[in-house]
Amino acid sequence: SQQGEEDPQALSIQEGENATMNCSYKTSINNLQWYRQNSGRGLVHLILIRSNEREKHSGRLRVTLDTSKKSSSLLITASRAADTASYFCATDSVNTGFQKLVFGTGTRLLVSP
Amino acid sequence: EADIYQTPRYLVIGTGKKITLECSQTMGHDKMYWYQQDPGMELHLIHYSYGVNSTEKGDLSSESTVSRIRTEHFPLTLESARPSHTSQYLCASGVDRGRDTEAFFGQGTRLTVV
Repeated sequence: SQQGEEDPQALSIQEGENATMNCSYKTSINNLQWYRQNSGRGLVHLILIRSNEREKHSGRLRVTLDTSKKSSSLLITASRAADTASYFCATDSVNTGFQKLVFGTGTRLLVSP
Repeated sequence: EADIYQTPRYLVIGTGKKITLECSQTMGHDKMYWYQQDPGMELHLIHYSYGVNSTEKGDLSSESTVSRIRTEHFPLTLESARPSHTSQYLCASGVDRGRDTEAFFGQGTRLTVV
């Protein structure tokens, strides 16, 4: 089964509201990354947080990591209609000699004007 | 925008045909990946490569094969397409940043086998 499980599966909010997505994983990791996918397109890297970090910011994005719970959250503040996309977490496991990124199931975010 | 390209973007093909999905990157990355994405969005790693002449199967069994004769090129081939191969195929390359690997994705190929 996949390493990462995101919840919720889908999230619908109004512009200006904050969006929070969660990711849980199973094995020890080097880092956890969040990616964004617009409909029918490839994924774009958003932010990376290492296993020894607890929180990281990039613009309107805030990522937290709790290695004791094997979970991460992505917060998008002051959301915009252009944030509508699917968001995936990906883990880079310590157990593989080759850094394979294993992706979660994704959260579909819809931001309405 | 990442310099990684997939062709074709869309392909509709009949059962039994042989197809090759192309993936090229101009960033000189050693690591490359193929993911298969379900309609329900989950991505499954089907092949990866450390570099030239190195290929490995991923976590999801796939009837496809890959080759890596040149650093920039990582094509995926299906010898005999079946309707069960209908899916979105995403190619990516990876760059090491210290201990971390960051992936850059192509736009994907949506394959439909009829």
